[in-house]
Amino acid sequence: NAGVTQTPKFQVLKTGQSMTLQCAQDMNHEYMSWYRQDPGMGLRLIHYSVGAGITDQGEVPNGYNVSRSTTEDFPLRLLSAAPSQTSVYFCASSPEGRRASNQPQHFGDGTRLSIL
Amino acid sequence: GQQLNQSPQSMFIQEGEDVSMNCTSSSIFNTWLWYKQDPGEGPVLLIALYKAGELTSNGRLTAQFGITRKDSFLNISASIPSDVGIYFCAGRGGAQKLVFGQGTRLTINP
Repeated sequence: NAGVTQTPKFQVLKTGQSMTLQCAQDMNHEYMSWYRQDPGMGLRLIHYSVGAGITDQGEVPNGYNVSRSTTEDFPLRLLSAAPSQTSVYFCASSPEGRRASNQPQHFGDGTRLSIL
Repeated sequence: GQQLNQSPQSMFIQEGEDVSMNCTSSSIFNTWLWYKQDPGEGPVLLIALYKAGELTSNGRLTAQFGITRKDSFLNISASIPSDVGIYFCAGRGGAQKLVFGQGTRLTINP
């Protein structure tokens, strides 16, 4: 099925390790974003991109890097994992791009990340 | 920045009952979205609202964009077991990014 694909689904890391969470969409959406979901706090925006080559910070960007070399892919990198980054991470996309619109977002199924 | 307050945080109801939940914002929004999240999955869009006063239905679900543009409501009629999950509101005002409420966890007793 078309949509947003996230890999891996589960990951356990040790403090200080680095890793990349992968996100790919096949809907030719311009806008992609990363959220983290923690109990009782809803979804918080980490980073987002309005098109290939353009990224910007969201509400909680510290400790994470992103890049957008293609329209389809938007990987999230943890440079030095910390226990506070234990969370469920969701990638989302929407047709919204540089022109402002209110298109809702399509979400992947998430990556469950534990930092020991 | 924009903030959303979603209530209630959790609901425990009997199958067949109606459900109501709401979100209020600290500022005026021009978009309200309602999502449902099943365990182990990402949120799925239920209803999108783009105009103050708008009332939109999706089967047994009905959502309204408040007249003040600072609130939105979601109602579920005649609940069934598959309605169980977490419901999130999300909103956006002006050029701001989409913000999410804390979620309402719905549990249904058969």
